[in-house]
Amino acid sequence: GAGVSQSPSNKVTEKGKDVELRCDPISGHTALYWYRQSLGQGLEFLIYFQGNSAPDKSGLPSDRFSAERTGGSVSTLTIQRTQQEDSAVYLCASSLAKNIQYFGAGTRLSVL
Amino acid sequence: RKEVEQDPGPFNVPEGATVAFNCTYSNSASQSFFWYRQDCRKEPKLLMSVYSSGNEDGRFTAQLNRASQYISLLIRDSKLSDSATYLCVVGGSQGNLIFGKGTKLSVKP
Repeated sequence: GAGVSQSPSNKVTEKGKDVELRCDPISGHTALYWYRQSLGQGLEFLIYFQGNSAPDKSGLPSDRFSAERTGGSVSTLTIQRTQQEDSAVYLCASSLAKNIQYFGAGTRLSVL
Repeated sequence: RKEVEQDPGPFNVPEGATVAFNCTYSNSASQSFFWYRQDCRKEPKLLMSVYSSGNEDGRFTAQLNRASQYISLLIRDSKLSDSATYLCVVGGSQGNLIFGKGTKLSVKP
């Protein structure tokens, strides 16, 4: 497909478990972003990858959150020891450099 | 002061009405501005970029006032299908986008 693909679309996990969320950006897009959106809230920036540069991790809420981007393409967001407050929709977006961002459909994470 | 602030809404309007959304941003160095639309339980999608000279796309008109750090979106002749949450978005210095919390629009028949 031509768009940003995220998987899984839904994830239910127990408190304390680790989860991995995946993002396949649009082919050729050099920039990749992770955001999260809690119920009824705006989008919260988490992390930004641009090419081979060091990622901007300034939005990660705690050291339980980490992300990597392999080969400048696919990215994985990992949340360790999940907490109930981590429940949200996690959105990935990609763009050409600093241009317009295109979003995936998101992963809806529920921590029980 | 929040980085991007919007009218809280919700806006409930009849079909055919004209509705205006306002937004202010705090970082005077911001260089890029957008309106995104987000349907219920869907991802945000770009509605339009906002340029200093103002720009129009069909029934939608966006304006930017850099001096006042103010962005607006005008929707004319609103349709039922315009019902959504409209997000004011400002390009951050790091390349990320800073989103307002959105204004919910509900167009009624």
